[in-house]
Amino acid sequence: EVQLVESGGGLVQPGGSLRLSCAASGFTFSNYWIHWVRQAPGKGLVWVSLINTDGSITRYADSVKGRFTISRDNAKNTLFMQMNSLRAEDTAVYYCVRDTNRHMDVWGKGATVTVSS
Amino acid sequence: QSALTQPASVSGSPGQSITISCTGTSSDVGGYNYVSWYQQHPGKAPKLMIYDVSNRPSGVSSRFFGSKSGNTASLTISGLQAEDEADYYCSSYTSSSTWVFGGGTKLTVL
Repeated sequence: EVQLVESGGGLVQPGGSLRLSCAASGFTFSNYWIHWVRQAPGKGLVWVSLINTDGSITRYADSVKGRFTISRDNAKNTLFMQMNSLRAEDTAVYYCVRDTNRHMDVWGKGATVTVSS
Repeated sequence: QSALTQPASVSGSPGQSITISCTGTSSDVGGYNYVSWYQQHPGKAPKLMIYDVSNRPSGVSSRFFGSKSGNTASLTISGLQAEDEADYYCSSYTSSSTWVFGGGTKLTVL
């Protein structure tokens, strides 16, 4: 079964850091670009970041540029998001999403990040 | 990176058809045929319903139809069913090599 499973979410104070992970299975992880998409409570989907197959190309939304870093370990079939200088507005469910030719075809169940003092 | 514009809500009765619009610019919706639509039920992850403007993934009902004219894409759902009640989001690739979503549309089946 094709699957993406996020982990690493939790409660963090403003200004703190958190590292999300996303474990892939059921497909050849190294062949796919992967996105992070987030959804604040009661709000819509917001694209956050993308990484290409070998990690040489990354893209970020303006709202997280300079604070978040996306990376991947193809040997371990795992995607990461290092989140620094967290703000209250970063509170959201973070989805790991597979990209196939510029559309998002496989979604994880999400990891919840809460930024609060 | 402004969000694409969708109506906040639409509604229809079982068996009817509804259309959800998604308006962007020539830098996203109008510039590429990389528009996709996602369905999200409460508490669940989104599900891909339409990709590349009008293509349906395997397993998605033919009642879902996508189209595009200029800077506006549309999702039409025919023969509304109770299970179609959900939030719907459009998304587009952009000229900045990023992606953008619409604000989402809540579909109510009366």
